Formats: sequence, structure tokens, C-alpha cells
Amino acid sequence: DAKTTQPNSMESNEEEPVHLPCNHSTISGTDYIHWYRQLPSQGPEYVIHGLTSNVNNRMASLAIAEDRKSSTLILHRATLRDAAVYYCIPISNFGNEKLTFGTGTRLTIIP
Amino acid sequence: EPEVTQTPSHQVTQMGQEVILRCVPISNHLYFYWYRQILGQKVEFLVSFYNNEISEKSEIFDDQFSVERPDGSNFTLKIRSTKLEDSAMYFCASREGRVGQETQYFGPGTRLLVL
Repeated sequence: DAKTTQPNSMESNEEEPVHLPCNHSTISGTDYIHWYRQLPSQGPEYVIHGLTSNVNNRMASLAIAEDRKSSTLILHRATLRDAAVYYCIPISNFGNEKLTFGTGTRLTIIP
Repeated sequence: EPEVTQTPSHQVTQMGQEVILRCVPISNHLYFYWYRQILGQKVEFLVSFYNNEISEKSEIFDDQFSVERPDGSNFTLKIRSTKLEDSAMYFCASREGRVGQETQYFGPGTRLLVL
């Protein structure tokens, strides 16, 4: 499994953009970069994933470095509901991959 | 939107008792998983299940654990003789299985407390 490094915690003001970084320098060429989040007292929730190109969906954007050794999850306008632990997880697109969760980044939103 | 459901939401049991945690995955999904999260710790993989058999299991998933898909909809995790250290949130997840669709969808979890 590719090792990931994320800041333990971050804070952001409500309605401001948030950039959550992740280093995954040992990522394999075939691994997708997935982001999940876990809201308080809930199960993990898929946010976004990508391989090489930047990706957008209704929840967030994902910016992937050209060398794929890092990525940044971007929440364009953070709301109180975005307070959660965010995990970046490299996953192979072959086989039946389990998710290996690290400690993630605990995002606090300040009203 | 389809979702993974789990029952019960909470379960309290005595040490040494058997418990069965139930999950209903999303209907067209082919891969099924159990994870657990001890309070304040990371989410840990327990087991994956595909085509009616275990495809991978972790060191945590010892002989006290078993999984089953008894019919076309349910996916169960049985702990044969619970220990205090089995107290945790247990999450079921499912995945569609198409190539390029690795997203796992998680249920809300069952909080298990072993006394």
C-alpha cells in the first residue's frame, strides 16, 4: 500500500475555500487517488477520486500534481457540514482493493 | 439515492456471547466489506467478500469472525464469542465492481459494546 502523509488538523472559516494536502510519494502508476471523509458519528463517505487530471464534482475539486506524488482536495466554500476527518487513499484499479485508512486530517470549520 | 443500511444501530452484549451484525448492500453491487473503528482510532479493514467467498481478510479477522451472504440482499458479520476488545463501530461497505468504479459506499455503522 502506498504511504500517505496528511496534516493532523486544519481550520477554516465558514464560506472560505479549504485546501487539504496529501503526500503520496510511493504511489503506483496504476493507483487512483481517492478521498473519503468521515463526519462525526457516521461512516466514511466518498468525496472524489482521480488518476492524473484534475477532477471536479458537486462536493469538491481534486488537484493532482504532475508527478502524482501529492494531491490537494479543494472545498470551494466550506460549510459547517464539511467539518469531518478527510482521508486520501491510493487505490489500485485492479483487483478487490480494501481501503487502508490513515489518521487523516481533522477539518474544523469556524462559524 | 441507493444506500447501504445496517442493523442494529447499537448492540450491547455480554462477553462470550455471539452477535450477528447485519448489512443490506446496494442492490447491484458485487463486492462487500466489513471495517471496524475502535473509539478514537483509525478505520480498520476486516474482510472483503466477492462471489460468495472471502477474497481477503485482515489479521483481526480470526476464527471468531465469519461472514455470510445468506440470501440475495443481506451480508452478515458474526462474532462467535465476543471479547471486550471487540467493542467498536462496525461499518459495512459495498462496491459496484465495474472496472474503474472502485468507490465504496459505507453504511451508518453498528456500535457494538461488549460488557
